[in-house]
Amino acid sequence: TQLLEQSPQFLSIQEGENLTVYCNSSSVFSSLQWYRQEPGEGPVLLVTVVTGGEVKKLKRLTFQFGDARKDSSLHITAAQPGDTGLYLCAGAKNAGGTSYGKLTFGQGTILTVHP
Amino acid sequence: ETGVTQSPTHLIKTRGQQVTLRCSSQSGHNTVSWYQQALGQGPQFIFQYYREEENGRGNFPPRFSGLQFPNYSSELNVNALELDDSALYLCASRRGGLNEKLFFGSGTQLSVL
Repeated sequence: TQLLEQSPQFLSIQEGENLTVYCNSSSVFSSLQWYRQEPGEGPVLLVTVVTGGEVKKLKRLTFQFGDARKDSSLHITAAQPGDTGLYLCAGAKNAGGTSYGKLTFGQGTILTVHP
Repeated sequence: ETGVTQSPTHLIKTRGQQVTLRCSSQSGHNTVSWYQQALGQGPQFIFQYYREEENGRGNFPPRFSGLQFPNYSSELNVNALELDDSALYLCASRRGGLNEKLFFGSGTQLSVL
């Protein structure tokens, strides 16, 4: 069974602080995605990383894919209360030339940013 | 462009009953997948449909079944409900191609008593 382990599970910080969420696996993934989910809603895709060592920036969010494509991190600079939510990493594996797209999700990190 | 819509939003059933959840894919999307999200957990892949055929399944028993219709809308059916089936059921759609962006609906919250 492929597992994605996220850490920490809970994170409670003050506005303006920096934070990093980690996503680790023993399996290699073709790509890794990060989602943000708010209560009562489905996950919303933030970014997809596909190349080992890749770094993507989305305003105050920086995403990194490990060289071996087994791990990833999400770094938020100067967190704001609007960043509060559940952050999920999800790995995908290609299966030949089909559109098979099973995503394996981590258990999530609940982030709370206090004003 | 309409998003992914799911119905109903909430549902209460008793153990042993059967349930059908519905999903309308985003316009132009021919691939739909279903996920189960237990409280405090990440979503778990149930199965995926591409052009009306199941082309991927996770570790769920046969009492979880699905359909995709010619208009690419989809149903998830669960027979002989168990207490552990209580969860948020998410539908997601995308265009064909693994790296196409996945769009999730808001989910159906199922409670089994």
